[in-house]
Amino acid sequence: QQQVRQSPQSLTVWEGETAILNCSYEDSTFNYFPWYQQFPGEGPALLISIRSVSDKKEDGRFTIFFNKREKKLSLHITDSQPGDSATYFCAASPMGYKLTFGTGTSLLVDP
Amino acid sequence: EAAVTQSPRNKVTVTGGNVTLSCRQTNSHNYMYWYRQDTGHGLRLIHYSYGAGNLQIGDVPDGYKATRTTQEDFFLLLELASPSQTSLYFCASSDAQITSQNTLYFGAGTRLSVL
Repeated sequence: QQQVRQSPQSLTVWEGETAILNCSYEDSTFNYFPWYQQFPGEGPALLISIRSVSDKKEDGRFTIFFNKREKKLSLHITDSQPGDSATYFCAASPMGYKLTFGTGTSLLVDP
Repeated sequence: EAAVTQSPRNKVTVTGGNVTLSCRQTNSHNYMYWYRQDTGHGLRLIHYSYGAGNLQIGDVPDGYKATRTTQEDFFLLLELASPSQTSLYFCASSDAQITSQNTLYFGAGTRLSVL
């Protein structure tokens, strides 16, 4: 059973639009949620992360919104650029334990 | 920035074959991990280690062995490869066990095909 779910599986937006990537989880002990970005031919790399004590985390054009009650979070990419085209993985972990990754969302930003 | 090097980058073998995937990290990280990436499943943890000689079982360990010979080197062994092990394999390292402050640093991956 997939403990971390992501939607949509793939997403296409125009340059300049806001891309919204969704993530949900099952385990209420999860309290750390990083997002990893992966370009073709490369390994994933940490993009941004949030802890469950916060409901929002911002880093430039990237923002995580977190809803602990509904066990949902989303990654918003504002002013999307073609260079943002990549696969994005949501992950989760209880404090001090290994990460569980979601299935990923493939984002394409059309110029 | 953390450097994690995997070899080979591509490997083709036959069913029943013996395969070793290698990983080296040069940043004195304690923890190293082997993941496989498959469409529809994301990244799944096979084995991990918190130091030379240590091995911990991950979420999908069946059919895989691993060995951590030094702090820098972590190997994944497929002794009787099967087509279901065709996948993209990633090695990663981190300073310590996953906490809210630690980051996984991934290698570039090894694409394995089992015919």
